[in-house]
Amino acid sequence: QKEVEQDPGPLSVPEGAIVSLNCTYSNSAFQYFMWYRQYSRKGPELLMYTYSSGNKEDGRFTAQVDKSSKYISLFIRDSQPSDSATYLCAMSAGPNTGFQKLVFGTGTRLLVSP
Amino acid sequence: DTAVSQTPKYLVTQMGNDKSIKCEQNLGHDTMYWYKQDSKKFLKIMFSYNNKELIINETVPNRFSPKSPDKAHLNLHINSLELGDSAVYFCASSQRPSGGLDTQYFGPGTRLTVL
Repeated sequence: QKEVEQDPGPLSVPEGAIVSLNCTYSNSAFQYFMWYRQYSRKGPELLMYTYSSGNKEDGRFTAQVDKSSKYISLFIRDSQPSDSATYLCAMSAGPNTGFQKLVFGTGTRLLVSP
Repeated sequence: DTAVSQTPKYLVTQMGNDKSIKCEQNLGHDTMYWYKQDSKKFLKIMFSYNNKELIINETVPNRFSPKSPDKAHLNLHINSLELGDSAVYFCASSQRPSGGLDTQYFGPGTRLTVL
């Protein structure tokens, strides 16, 4: 079993829909929870991150972490065709445990149709 | 200006050959990484260097040897290439902060195909 599980999709939604992307994990040492966006044939780029449990909002994007359930989510409101990409969750125990080591999910491919 | 660059972008080679991939970052970061992304998009760390010192070395075959000539460069040499080495290899860099998360910036990737 992988440390981080993520549904590969693809997830197809119409423009304007609310998108929910999720990951589960098994390592209770994880403290930092990240979402990366990867466009086709490009490198991943950090979208947002959350430390420990709670919510974080950035424009149309909201990240949620529930450490008790070992479950994280990314919500995209008013989805746009330009949001079509692969979304990878990533987790880390954090720099206090040593140098940064990110553990990634397999990524969910999102397709937003006009 | 490209922050993290990799060469070559595409690499097609025969089984058994030796090849190198180069990475350079102009962000002034002190830590660099190599990741492998397989055909199912699973991204896994291979190596990490901090100030030219190897700090993360995951379970990777000895045929893979990283080398960091200076803080801005991290190269990956692969000996005796195998079919299973076909993947996209990403370089990344970050600057370790005094606390909190160090954001990793990824390069565009090198798509390696072993025939």
